Amino acid sequence: EVQLVESGGGLVQPGGSLRLSCAASGFTFSSYWMHWVRQAPGKGLVWVSRINSDGSSTSYADSVKGRFTISRDNAKNTLYLQMNSLRAEDTAVYYCASFSGWYAAYWGQGTLVTVSS
Amino acid sequence: QSALTQPASVSGSPGQSITISCTGTSSDVGGYNYVSWYQQHPGKAPKLMIYDVSNRPSGVSNRFSGSKSGNTASLTISGLQAEDEADYYCSSYTSSSTSYWVFGGGTKLTVL
Repeated sequence: EVQLVESGGGLVQPGGSLRLSCAASGFTFSSYWMHWVRQAPGKGLVWVSRINSDGSSTSYADSVKGRFTISRDNAKNTLYLQMNSLRAEDTAVYYCASFSGWYAAYWGQGTLVTVSS
Repeated sequence: QSALTQPASVSGSPGQSITISCTGTSSDVGGYNYVSWYQQHPGKAPKLMIYDVSNRPSGVSNRFSGSKSGNTASLTISGLQAEDEADYYCSSYTSSSTSYWVFGGGTKLTVL
């Protein structure tokens, strides 16, 4: 059974940092592109970032470019999102998702990040 | 403002059919057959319902179907059931320089 389990969310002050993790199991993690998607409270889904299967290529939404860094450790079957210079508008549930082709086949349960003083 | 445009809400009675539209541009929906649809119940993670415009993953009811014409994709749910009440999001790959994957704003489906 495919499982994606996010962790690392919490309350952080504006300007602070957090690192999210997404532990994968039940599939060959190293073969799949992975994405982060976020959802602000009561709002819709927004794409954040993606990384290819070996970690050599990444992309970011303009809203997080220069502040967030996506990475992966295929030996540990884990995806990461390093978030720096956090702003109130980054408050959201962050989901990791595994891609098969051009769609998100599986999603984690999400981890809540709250940026507030 | 979302990159793809969906109606905020749709409704239907049990047994009826409804269609949710998703309008983009030639840089996303119209340019590629990479439209997917996701169902999200309150407090839950999204679930893939349709991929590559019209394909259903294993385990998804054949009451769900997808199509595309020009820059507009559509999700049709036939034989509405109470459990179909949820938010539905379309998404697409985009060749835009400012993004990579875009979503619609979501449509709240109410089963009357």
